[in-house]
Amino acid sequence: NAGVTQTPKFQVLKTGQSMTLQCAQDMNHNSMYWYRQDPGMGLRLIYYSASEGTTDKGEVPNGYNVSRLNKREFSLRLESAAPSQTSVYFCASGGSSAADVYAQYFGPGTRLTVT
Amino acid sequence: RKEVEQDPGPFNVPEGATVAFNCTYSNSASQSFFWYRQDCRKEPKLLMSVYSSGNEDGRFTAQLNRASQYISLLIRDSKLSDSATYLCVVQKGSARQLTFGSGTQLTVLP
Repeated sequence: NAGVTQTPKFQVLKTGQSMTLQCAQDMNHNSMYWYRQDPGMGLRLIYYSASEGTTDKGEVPNGYNVSRLNKREFSLRLESAAPSQTSVYFCASGGSSAADVYAQYFGPGTRLTVT
Repeated sequence: RKEVEQDPGPFNVPEGATVAFNCTYSNSASQSFFWYRQDCRKEPKLLMSVYSSGNEDGRFTAQLNRASQYISLLIRDSKLSDSATYLCVVQKGSARQLTFGSGTQLTVLP
């Protein structure tokens, strides 16, 4: 099992450009999440999807959109990138066994720089 | 007040030492608690869940005090490979969301 995979690993964008970050999981989890991590700020939730067909805003959703394509895939789109969106983006999934139903498992991350 | 507060460290300890990390959380409705570790420039990885009765996994022991809203992680016989940032993580009320502390940095010295 690959777990949670993300593409791309690195990306440099110019201000105003758009891009989509891809995430897929093969653990049959119901819930999927997008976080950003900035120095000194910890992990902050951008959007999440509790189940296929639903998405909800997290703590920092402005400037982003998401699509839960199917149970396995959850993408994050930046429509018009800004330097403030320079960050490391992590996708996570969760909702497996009853014992750790709230535990989340992370992908390797995408390092995005917006110039 | 932050939802999850941790001492940022850094903690620099010699190999073989015992080190303890503490964390407090503000939402008394939280039901699930975790410790994650994050290596430099890598993703967070689940280290262990934290149960009310306390639980142990090898050299790692986690404790939860619901009355004080306090979580701890004890690492015994520290190894060089334990060097990482340790994240205290709390379920957000009744939702399927987690709140992450900013992390405590540990360096184990030879």
